[in-house]
Amino acid sequence: EAGVTQFPSHSVIEKGQTVTLRCDPISGHDNLYWYRRVMGKEIKFLLHFVKESKQDESGMPNNRFLAERTGGTYSTLKVQPAELEDSGVYFCASSRTVYEQYFGPGTRLTVT
Amino acid sequence: GENVEQHPSTLSVQEGDSAVIKCTYSDSASNYFPWYKQELGKRPQLIIDIRSNVGEKKDQRIAVTLNKTAKHFSLHITETQPEDSAVYFCAASEGSGTYKYIFGTGTRLKVLA
Repeated sequence: EAGVTQFPSHSVIEKGQTVTLRCDPISGHDNLYWYRRVMGKEIKFLLHFVKESKQDESGMPNNRFLAERTGGTYSTLKVQPAELEDSGVYFCASSRTVYEQYFGPGTRLTVT
Repeated sequence: GENVEQHPSTLSVQEGDSAVIKCTYSDSASNYFPWYKQELGKRPQLIIDIRSNVGEKKDQRIAVTLNKTAKHFSLHITETQPEDSAVYFCAASEGSGTYKYIFGTGTRLKVLA
């Protein structure tokens, strides 16, 4: 089966600009997670969708981050306006059950 | 909140030797512990996992052990090969709610030929 895909693979934007990241989960996976790894630190949870509903968004840093999952399929994560501390690698993961999350390749975001 | 500590941060072993990476967790309700391997420029790949009702699990050269009382779990790689070189992450699932993962900080393993 096709794996989790993410677009773009890299994004370089200036402080104050807007960026939208996209994640396409494995087909049939209702659970979709967003994580972020900043400056070589641990991978941190951002939020979790079950189908189109936000199950847990406790990890979202602030209201500059907005996640959506249209029709329970792909998901987008928008950062507006971007700040320097938003730089990092954003991972998406999906799972059929609460176990075995499969990760995408990540989007490396650089805010200058 | 839940915290996962991972040691060591870097580990170098000679090819053919064993490697052990250790993690401790804080939430006694955690019940699922996956391990991920991330090679340079690639996605984190699930390599093995263990649930809290099991003390040990093996898959060829890889094994994971879990001590619920002490709240720690370990990854064991035997007969290491150069292709085992990567960053390894442990994680613990929060025992309630969304089962989101709490990750350790990663271990960079280098297998020297």
